This record gives sequence, structure tokens and C-alpha cells, in this order.
Amino acid sequence: AQRVTQPEKLLSVFKGAPVELKCNYSYSGSPELFWYVQYSRQRLQLLLRHISRESIKGFTADLNKGETSFHLKKPFAQEEDSAMYYCALSTYGNKLVFGAGTILRVKS
Amino acid sequence: GAGVSQSPSNKVTEKGKDVELRCDPISGHTALYWYRQSLGQGLEFLIYFQGNSAPDKSGLPSDRFSAERTGGSVSTLTIQRTQQEDSAVYLCASSSVLGGDEKLFFGSGTQLSVL
Repeated sequence: AQRVTQPEKLLSVFKGAPVELKCNYSYSGSPELFWYVQYSRQRLQLLLRHISRESIKGFTADLNKGETSFHLKKPFAQEEDSAMYYCALSTYGNKLVFGAGTILRVKS
Repeated sequence: GAGVSQSPSNKVTEKGKDVELRCDPISGHTALYWYRQSLGQGLEFLIYFQGNSAPDKSGLPSDRFSAERTGGSVSTLTIQRTQQEDSAVYLCASSSVLGGDEKLFFGSGTQLSVL
């Protein structure tokens, strides 16, 4: 069965510090991995997906199949990055499964 | 419409009553999802509709929960005999599902409070 684990419920960092939001998954095939973000009083929205190998708002995430991880990273956190972040896993044609989410709090 | 629309935005009900939550997906999107978001539980999958295929109901927590999607568009999530533990934000999302690239577009949710 597909499963996504986000071990941290809350991550608190200072502005300008590096950020790493952890995500591990369990799936025996080739997954599609995503990060979704929900800012205060806004809808949940896609941040980035691993197949695009893109950097959005300074965030990147690399799929590590050996470690079954898809950690989200940003070298210098900004206050506007404070939000709830969800890692998600999909296999072709199947439902998208989300992790429990991590609240990122960037302090000034 | 411009995005996924959910109604009502807030619903307060008494324990034991039935409730219906509505979702209007983005026009042309073949996939529709219902999730439940509650504090400490993250985003819990409930049910998934994909085109004309049988829905994936594996996430429904009990037989008090059901959902249908009429004409491949609007969906209704029904909770019968509501309990206090049903209180949560119920989110709907839709997707065009091209090649497994599951970019979901979410509605703003229905906040359900069971007293």
C-alpha cells in the first residue's frame, strides 16, 4: 500500500536559516511525488512536483529512490514561507495520498 | 467557474442529523477527490472518482459516509447520523489527470461542526 510519512508536525526556523521538510514514502513501483502548500486563509495548492525538477519560490525537492525520500529544501527561509506543507504520492491512474503535513513557522 | 466550488462553506449540525456537502469541480476535470482535514490528522483521503470507473471508496471511515457524482460533474458527500468526531474541514479537489500528473485543484472546503 502507498504511504507517505512526514515525521515533523511543526518545524520552526529563523528567517534566513536553511529549511528541510522531511518526507518518506513507501511504494514498490515508480511513484510520482508532490509537495502541496496551504498558506493562512488560502486554498491548498500545488507547490512542486518531482517530474518537473523545478524550483518554486526557492524550494527544491529531489526524489531519492534508495532512501524513498522526497525532502523539501530551501537555503534561506523567508517569513512568507510560513504555511502547512503536505507531501503527496501518486501512482499512475490512482488516487493521490497525502502525508500528515508539517507546519513551517519562520520567525523574524 | 474559475475553480473548484464547495458549499456550504460552514455547516453546524446536531449530533445524529444527516448532512450533505456539495462540490462543483472545474469543468472538464475527470477526477474528483474528497479529503477530510482535521487538526493532528492531516489530510485524510475519503473517496476518489475517475471518469466512468467505479469510485475508490477505500478511505470512507464508516458506512455512514457515502458520496456520489452525477453526470461526471457535481459530487455530493453525505454523512448520516453525524457524530462529534465527524467535525472537520471537508475538502474537494479535481484534476484533469494527464499521464498520471496529478495536479489537484482544491476547493476552499466545508467546515463541519457537529454539536
